[in-house]
Amino acid sequence: GNSVTQMEGPVTLSEEAFLTINCTYTATGYPSLFWYVQYPGEGLQLLLKATKADDKGSNKGFEATYRKETTSFHLEKGSVQVSDSAVYFCALRGGQNFVFGPGTRLSVLP
Amino acid sequence: EPEVTQTPSHQVTQMGQEVILRCVPISNHLYFYWYRQILGQKVEFLVSFYNNEISEKSEIFDDQFSVERPDGSNFTLKIRSTKLEDSAMYFCATGRIGSSTDTQYFGPGTRLTVL
Repeated sequence: GNSVTQMEGPVTLSEEAFLTINCTYTATGYPSLFWYVQYPGEGLQLLLKATKADDKGSNKGFEATYRKETTSFHLEKGSVQVSDSAVYFCALRGGQNFVFGPGTRLSVLP
Repeated sequence: EPEVTQTPSHQVTQMGQEVILRCVPISNHLYFYWYRQILGQKVEFLVSFYNNEISEKSEIFDDQFSVERPDGSNFTLKIRSTKLEDSAMYFCATGRIGSSTDTQYFGPGTRLTVL
């Protein structure tokens, strides 16, 4: 079946540091890939998505490229802020429902 | 921007009691989903619903669970006889179309605590 693996963290960075959160997937067919973010005490918010190979999703300075050859969708940001502290979930959608990774907690220190 | 809403935000119940969690989807969305997140764990799919029918469900969604759209607007998840292990955050999500490229929009969640 479909599955998503991501680095579990926690990841602690200083403000303005470079962020990478690795995500790899296993799926049949051609899934769409998503990153969702969960801020403390809140629900899941879509951060970005890519629906086919080589697509790059981007939002709020975050980027991720759909790499079919390595089955990866790593999340990157060039300069993180304290306000980026949250849990980040990589997810794929091959059919109707989502399969989520375990989430990566990011803490950004001032 | 339209959003998915859920009520209540927090529900505390005794083991064996029935609970109903409510969701109001975005108005032009036709596909509805429930997920749960046990504290500190990953988000798990429970069920998808379209055209007044369950279209897909996971192993978690056993006979204790049911969903319905009682009045054409609310989308509810009922747990018939709650167990301690049902304690979790329950998220409703909705989508405009059911394709794999469609984004699902999540509500803020209902935290269920079973004592």
